[in-house]
Amino acid sequence: AQSVTQLDSHVSVSEGTPVLLRCNYSSSYSPSLFWYVQHPNKGLQLLLKYTSAATLVKGINGFEAEFKKSETSFHLTKPSAHMSDAAEYFCVVSDDNNAGNMLTFGGGTRLMVKP
Amino acid sequence: EPEVTQTPSHQVTQMGQEVILRCVPISNHLYFYWYRQILGQKVEFLVSFYNNEISEKSEIFDDQFSVERPDGSNFTLKIRSTKLEDSAMYFCASSVAELNNSPLHFGNGTRLTVT
Repeated sequence: AQSVTQLDSHVSVSEGTPVLLRCNYSSSYSPSLFWYVQHPNKGLQLLLKYTSAATLVKGINGFEAEFKKSETSFHLTKPSAHMSDAAEYFCVVSDDNNAGNMLTFGGGTRLMVKP
Repeated sequence: EPEVTQTPSHQVTQMGQEVILRCVPISNHLYFYWYRQILGQKVEFLVSFYNNEISEKSEIFDDQFSVERPDGSNFTLKIRSTKLEDSAMYFCASSVAELNNSPLHFGNGTRLTVT
């Protein structure tokens, strides 16, 4: 079984300051991990994915995430927040045993960026 | 960039009625999915579809639900005899290959309200 916990339901940062969105996962097999972003009235857009290659994954819009197996974490970071980053972010897991291509979503973190 | 498109964006229906949610996946994609998000809850997997048949479905996807690919472009979710608890945002997604080799591309969703 696989599961995802996003530790913060809301994160508020000032524009230009670093962003950290925390995610811990549980998986019985080798997981693939993803971060998706959802802007208001938009679909879920893939930010980045980890699939057992490099543990530090770079995504779009300056975001990156580091896979830490020992901590079962996949936190999302960005050095400097922009107003346009305000959105809902979802950490997502899928494991190698997933014959049905099923994604398991975390509860989401709403990122607010203050001017 | 090609997109997954969903219609309608909003659907209001009365309890007991049937609804059909429509999706046009990206044209060269072979795998299709439906997910839903009840307000305030996690995004949940409903069903995956490949080669004109269901490849995986969740416990949520009972006899009330069905999916169909009626032609070469559309992928539909039918909900028979809707209940109040079916109110949710329904997301369609597609991928060119199996999940671990190809990320899901999501549509903007259809917000279904059952009154």
